Amino acid sequence: KQEVTQIPAALSVPEGENLVLNCSFTDSAIYNLQWFRQDPGKGLTSLLLIQSSQREQTSGRLNASLDKSSGRSTLYIAASQPGDSATYLCAVNQAGTALIFGKGTTLSVSS
Amino acid sequence: DADVTQTPRNRITKTGKRIMLECSQTKGHDRMYWYRQDPGLGLRLIYYSFDVKDINKGEISDGYSVSRQAQAKFSLSLESAIPNQTALYFCATSATQGERETQYFGPGTRLLVL
Repeated sequence: KQEVTQIPAALSVPEGENLVLNCSFTDSAIYNLQWFRQDPGKGLTSLLLIQSSQREQTSGRLNASLDKSSGRSTLYIAASQPGDSATYLCAVNQAGTALIFGKGTTLSVSS
Repeated sequence: DADVTQTPRNRITKTGKRIMLECSQTKGHDRMYWYRQDPGLGLRLIYYSFDVKDINKGEISDGYSVSRQAQAKFSLSLESAIPNQTALYFCATSATQGERETQYFGPGTRLLVL
C-alpha cells in the first residue's frame, strides 16, 4: 500500500529565506507526483506536476524534483514571501487509482 | 464560472440525518473523485468514478455512498450522518492522460454533524 510522508509538518521562516519541503513515498510505481497549495479553509491549487519520466519542474520561484528510485520529492521555494504562507500537499498518482496525499507541511513566512 | 462546483458550501446537520453533497463539472472530464479532509490528516479518498458506469470504493467508504448521474455530476451521500463525519469534503475531476493526468478540485463543502 502506497504511503506518502511529508516532513516537516510545520515550518516557520523569515521573509526572504530559501526553503525546502520534503515528500517521500513507499512505492515507486507512480504515474506522476504533484504538489498542491491549500490556504486555510480553501480548496487545493495545483502548483507543479512531475511526470514519472521527469526529474524536475519549475514554475517561477518554485522548483520540484523527483527521484523515483529513492521515493523522494522536494519542493524548493526561493526568496520566500508572506504570501507563500499556506499548507503544501504532496500527492502521488498511481495507475488505476486516485491521488494519495501526504498530510502536508504548513508554512508560515513572517515579514 | 468555476469549472468544478460543490453544493452546499456549508452544511450543519444532526446525527442520523441523510445528507447529499453534490458536485458538478464543466471541464468535460471522465474521472471524478470524493475526498474528505480532517485537520492534520491530509486528504483521504472516499469514492472515485472513472466513467458513468464505473464506481470504486476508496480508503474510507464506510458510511458513504455515491451516484454518478451523468459524466458531469457526482453526488456523495451520508445515509445516516454521525459526528465523526464532520470534515471538509472535496470533489475533484481529471481526464485520462497517463503521466500528465492532474486533478482539479472544487472549493469544498464544510460539513458539521451535531
